[in-house]
Amino acid sequence: NAGVTQTPKFQVLKTGQSMTLQCAQDMNHNSMYWYRQDPGMGLRLIYYSASEGTTDKGEVPNGYNVSRLNKREFSLRLESAAPSQTSVYFCATKTGLNTEAFFGQGTRLTVV
Amino acid sequence: GIQVEQSPPDLILQEGANSTLRCNFSDSVNNLQWFHQNPWGQLINLFYIPSGTKQNGRLSATTVATERYSLLYISSSQTTDSGVYFCAVVAGYSTLTFGKGTMLLVSP
Repeated sequence: NAGVTQTPKFQVLKTGQSMTLQCAQDMNHNSMYWYRQDPGMGLRLIYYSASEGTTDKGEVPNGYNVSRLNKREFSLRLESAAPSQTSVYFCATKTGLNTEAFFGQGTRLTVV
Repeated sequence: GIQVEQSPPDLILQEGANSTLRCNFSDSVNNLQWFHQNPWGQLINLFYIPSGTKQNGRLSATTVATERYSLLYISSSQTTDSGVYFCAVVAGYSTLTFGKGTMLLVSP
């Protein structure tokens, strides 16, 4: 059981480049989330998918798009990366509203 | 949206000392979790505790939902306890909202 797997673990992009962060879970959870973590800010929600086939914006969605490919996979896309998107990105999953959330190991992204 | 405040923001302890971390929230919650982010950045689940008290080894947590706070107790701290401790809550039908964390440094 891998739990929640994020790829890649590290990435350096040039301003304007695009990339997709991948998240896969083998926990059979319904809901999946993308957060970003910046120094002194805690974790802030970018987008989430409450169930397969649905996606919704979180607190900081600008500059990002998401795809819930199937129940297991939820990807985060940066179409035109900006230095302000330099951050650590975490994927999380849980099975329902009032249940425990589990996090992947994070992707450290630097945009130069 | 709900506000989550953690205190203290920073804490330095000698190995063996005890500590209490606090999480206050501004509205009723359905769900509360405590996480430890280790120096390698990994988020580790400590407790899922929307109400009541739980213990796991040297760590315990109490949530008093009616008074809108939760406490995390660390006893006999070890250097491996260093890192950032986050409280996160769910209110109503919202998603998990995090506090800004308490950074703990345990020195030998």
